Amino acid sequence: TQLLEQSPQFLSIQEGENLTVYCNSSSVFSSLQWYRQEPGEGPVLLVTVVTGGEVKKLKRLTFQFGDARKDSSLHITAAQPGDTGLYLCAGANNAGNMLTFGGGTRLMVKP
Amino acid sequence: DAGITQSPRYKITETGRQVTLMCHQTWSHSYMFWYRQDLGHGLRLIYYSAAADITDKGEVPDGYVVSRSKTENFPLTLESATRSQTSVYFCASSESGHGGGEQYFGPGTRLTVT
Repeated sequence: TQLLEQSPQFLSIQEGENLTVYCNSSSVFSSLQWYRQEPGEGPVLLVTVVTGGEVKKLKRLTFQFGDARKDSSLHITAAQPGDTGLYLCAGANNAGNMLTFGGGTRLMVKP
Repeated sequence: DAGITQSPRYKITETGRQVTLMCHQTWSHSYMFWYRQDLGHGLRLIYYSAAADITDKGEVPDGYVVSRSKTENFPLTLESATRSQTSVYFCASSESGHGGGEQYFGPGTRLTVT
């Protein structure tokens, strides 16, 4: 079974601060996805990273896939209250037919 | 409405009862998935389906049954509900099963087993 560990589990910061969320595993994934989930809703895909070492930017969010494709990070610059939510990483198995989700990082950005 | 819908959104049932959670998607996506979300465990895959009449077990399939007679529907049945099945259940669909493909999630069903 492939496991993904996210850290931290909870993060409460002030508006304008920077933060990084980590997603680590001992397994290699064919790709890794980051989702954001708001209360009462299903997760929504933010980005997919496929190549080891890949970096993708989405406005103030920067996603990186580790060189060995075992880990990933999400960095948010100048966090805003609208960034509040549950962030989930998910790794795809080699067959590509299943995602393994991390436990999630619950982020609260205070005005 | 277009998209992926789940019903009911909330359900309270008693231990031992049979419960069916419905999932419907309008995109004609080949792949559909059922997850449960619990604090401390994130999302765990229960069952998935690659196409109509093709289903396979995920990480936590015990106590659940699925069927997929039509591409657009993927019901999940708890044959005899237990308290440990109290959870939020999410259905998702994807154009392909490949990990690079985006999964689109429904709004979830909050199930409480008393």
